[in-house]
Amino acid sequence: DTGVSQDPRHKITKRGQNVTFRCDPISEHNRLYWYRQTLGQGPEFLTYFQNEAQLEKSRLLSDRFSAERPKGSFSTLEIQRTEQGDSAMYLCASGREQPQHFGDGTRLSIL
Amino acid sequence: AQSVAQPEDQVNVAEGNPLTVKCTYSVSGNPYLFWYVQYPNRGLQFLLKYITGDNLVKGSYGFEAEFNKSQTSFHLKKPSALVSDSALYFCAVRDWAGNMLTFGGGTRLMVKP
Repeated sequence: DTGVSQDPRHKITKRGQNVTFRCDPISEHNRLYWYRQTLGQGPEFLTYFQNEAQLEKSRLLSDRFSAERPKGSFSTLEIQRTEQGDSAMYLCASGREQPQHFGDGTRLSIL
Repeated sequence: AQSVAQPEDQVNVAEGNPLTVKCTYSVSGNPYLFWYVQYPNRGLQFLLKYITGDNLVKGSYGFEAEFNKSQTSFHLKKPSALVSDSALYFCAVRDWAGNMLTFGGGTRLMVKP
């Protein structure tokens, strides 16, 4: 069990730039989740995939955000035209049923 | 809509003493309840879950939690705290039909030697 892997661990970018994060779930897990965690808060749900199908999206996921999971394996989360408010830790989790197993996250800092 | 409340931002306890971290929830139907722990600059580590069955659930690292349906609570407990238990603890809930977890705001546990 190699765990959920996220890349990069840290990303610093200028406001207005696009960023993409990658998540590699535990290999036998068909469910994949993205959450956002701001400082001092609990994680907030963004979106959920079962295999390659994106089945649920939060209202937090504005038009600037897009997530994919081609072939039902790894997933990417892209943020276009980043804003200051996008600064957060982006967490990926995977599972078969429950519980969800989390990666160490990608910390995004917007200059 | 489902929600979780962790009423204490921080809990302080001396090493060797019992600890309790409180959690109350609101959800439609039967709840799925979880506790996770987070260390600095790391993701969330699963501690334990309640789906159905016995109200007292045992988990990793000597932690346990008690499900109380009438009080809609799921408090995390440990009989004897360790300094290494110091971390941020999150309670989460999911309804039986959904997939997303809703987390509380977290409770920082400080265990002093």
